Amino acid sequence: EPEVTQTPSHQVTQMGQEVILRCVPISNHLYFYWYRQILGQKVEFLVSFYNNEISEKSEIFDDQFSVERPDGSNFTLKIRSTKLEDSAMYFCASRKDGGNTGELFFGEGSRLTVL
Amino acid sequence: AQSVTQLGSHVSVSEGALVLLRCNYSSSVPPYLFWYVQYPNQGLQLLLKYTSAATLVKGINGFEAEFKKSETSFHLTKPSAHMSDAAEYFCAVIGQAGTALIFGKGTTLSVSS
Repeated sequence: EPEVTQTPSHQVTQMGQEVILRCVPISNHLYFYWYRQILGQKVEFLVSFYNNEISEKSEIFDDQFSVERPDGSNFTLKIRSTKLEDSAMYFCASRKDGGNTGELFFGEGSRLTVL
Repeated sequence: AQSVTQLGSHVSVSEGALVLLRCNYSSSVPPYLFWYVQYPNQGLQLLLKYTSAATLVKGINGFEAEFKKSETSFHLTKPSAHMSDAAEYFCAVIGQAGTALIFGKGTTLSVSS
């Protein structure tokens, strides 16, 4: 069964360093998303991406963050100059179409720990 | 703006007992509502969704949810809990701006034998 894969599963970094989280969405999906979940808190929407551009973003997704689809398969989230409060589980998701009823398929997440 | 509120961060039931996980929504337009489940060390998996068709929605693993507009609720139920149901459950609504899901804080379901 097709699935969304994320790497790394866990990354530890020093405050101020740049981090890139990678995702391989399901191959025929067109819409891509990043969410984060700070420990003990709810899953928060960061950004959605379609047709090689951001289609929607939350107030969390500030200039510190960027997304890219560098090739036909990968979808990356870059966090510049990480802060302690960026420590969280980051989930990638993809959807086949843009309809409001379409299911989002989630990866298993990348845990980021900022020291 | 669209949002969901999950009442109770932790619910404990005995195996075989009724499971009831509560979700209330706030929406300025007819909502599309979802329940997702997260097993330990895994991603989120869709349990069921409401898309303005039938108000009683059946999902996987014996779960169902009923959309009640008068109560702005979309509670998740299962008649008989199984040990394998222990997980984190998230209610979600489609955000007003587009296709992104807005999640509730989640409810941890514990099932004891």
